Amino acid sequence: DIQMTQSPSSLSASVGDRVTITCRASQSFSSYLNWYQQKTGKAPKLLIYGAASLQSGVPSRFSGGGSGTEFTLTISSLQPEDFATYYCQQSYSTPWTFGQGTKVEIK
Amino acid sequence: QVQLQESGPGLVKPSETLSLTCTVSGGSISSYYWSWIRQPPGKELEWIGYIYYSGSTNYKPSLKSRVTISVDTSKNQFSLKVNSVTAADSAVYYCARGLYYTPFQHWGQGTLVTVSS
Repeated sequence: DIQMTQSPSSLSASVGDRVTITCRASQSFSSYLNWYQQKTGKAPKLLIYGAASLQSGVPSRFSGGGSGTEFTLTISSLQPEDFATYYCQQSYSTPWTFGQGTKVEIK
Repeated sequence: QVQLQESGPGLVKPSETLSLTCTVSGGSISSYYWSWIRQPPGKELEWIGYIYYSGSTNYKPSLKSRVTISVDTSKNQFSLKVNSVTAADSAVYYCARGLYYTPFQHWGQGTLVTVSS
C-alpha cells in the first residue's frame, strides 16, 4: 500500500494568510494525487485532482502542485469558509489511500 | 447534478452483517467507478472498495475477506455488505462516484453505523 503522510497535522492561521499543506507519499508517482476539504459533519469535497487541476466551482485561491513523492495544497488568502480539515489521496494504485488529514483552525 | 444517498441500519450487532445501499439520482450508474469509503469518528478516511458499472470489483486487501460490493443497474443502486462486524467497523460510511484517477468526485452525505450489542 502507498502511505500518505500530511504535514502539519494541524495549523492555526488568520483570515488572509497564505497556507501550505504538504503530502508525502511512500513511493513515487507523477500526478495521481487529489485533495479534499471536509467540514465538520459533512462529506469531503473534491478541490484539486491530478495534483494541480482545480475542480469546477472551487475558488482560484486553492492551488495544488508537486510530483514524485511530495505534493502541496496552497490557499493563497485564507477565507472564513476555508476553516476545515484537508485530506490528500493517491489514485496511482489500489488500495487508494488517504493522508491522515490537516485541520486548519482560526488563530 | 448527480446525487448519492446512503441508506441502511444505523445499529448492527457484533458478528452480524452490515448492509448499506447507495441510491443514485440525477444520472445513470453506467460508466463510472462507484466506491465505499468509511471514517471512524474523529479519524481519517479509509477506502473500502469499488465496483465498476460493468460489475468488476476491487477491494482493500485487509477487508477483502469480509466485504462484498454489488450493483443493481435497474434500480440505479449499489450496495455494500461487511460480514462479521466488530466495534472497529463503527464509522460514517460514504458512497462516492468518480473516474479511475479521480474516484471520489461526488459523495453521498454519509450514514453513521454503530456496531454494538
